Amino acid sequence: AQTVTQSQPEMSVQEAETVTLSCTYDTSESDYYLFWYKQPPSRQMILVIRQEAYKQQNATENRFSVNFQKAAKSFSLKISDSQLGDAAMYFCACPGTGNQFYFGTGTSLTVIP
Amino acid sequence: DVKVTQSSRYLVKRTGEKVFLECVQDMDHENMFWYRQDPGLGLRLIYFSYDVKMKEKGDIPEGYSVSREKKERFSLILESASTNQTSMYLCASSLRQVNTEAFFGQGTRLTVV
Repeated sequence: AQTVTQSQPEMSVQEAETVTLSCTYDTSESDYYLFWYKQPPSRQMILVIRQEAYKQQNATENRFSVNFQKAAKSFSLKISDSQLGDAAMYFCACPGTGNQFYFGTGTSLTVIP
Repeated sequence: DVKVTQSSRYLVKRTGEKVFLECVQDMDHENMFWYRQDPGLGLRLIYFSYDVKMKEKGDIPEGYSVSREKKERFSLILESASTNQTSMYLCASSLRQVNTEAFFGQGTRLTVV
């Protein structure tokens, strides 16, 4: 079965600094994407970034980038120039068989002004 | 603009009541999902459906059932609500093809008293 592990329940970062959120996964799929979702206090889950596993190049979306290590099954999210609006729960997700999505336990990010 | 709409943001129900949580998507997605979100446990899949009238159990189906009579609507049913079902419930949908993202509703916070 697929598993997704986020080992940092809480993280904090100073405004304008950089923070990295960790995620490891295990999947039996051979071709897959990985996702990072953000859940602000409004509770609306928003896709932050996705990574195609067969691409060696790490995905980037503005201030958000990933460090994807396929052999290590590691998929960390880097947030640069952190802003107050980045404060949220962040979930890593990995697709499984039958079109399911498996999520980690989440990392609560606090941004300190 | 894609949309997944859950019928209620907050619900308070009594123990033993039958509870219906409704979810509607307007994106013509084949797959629909119900997750339960609890602190420290992340998102856990209750049920998912990949077609009308089709359903598959997720990781925690006990105490729940689902109904999908129309493609756009996926209902979660608590046959006899219990206090341990107090939680946040998230509905999501996605296209059938592998590796597409899931789109989420705004969540329903259910309290069973």
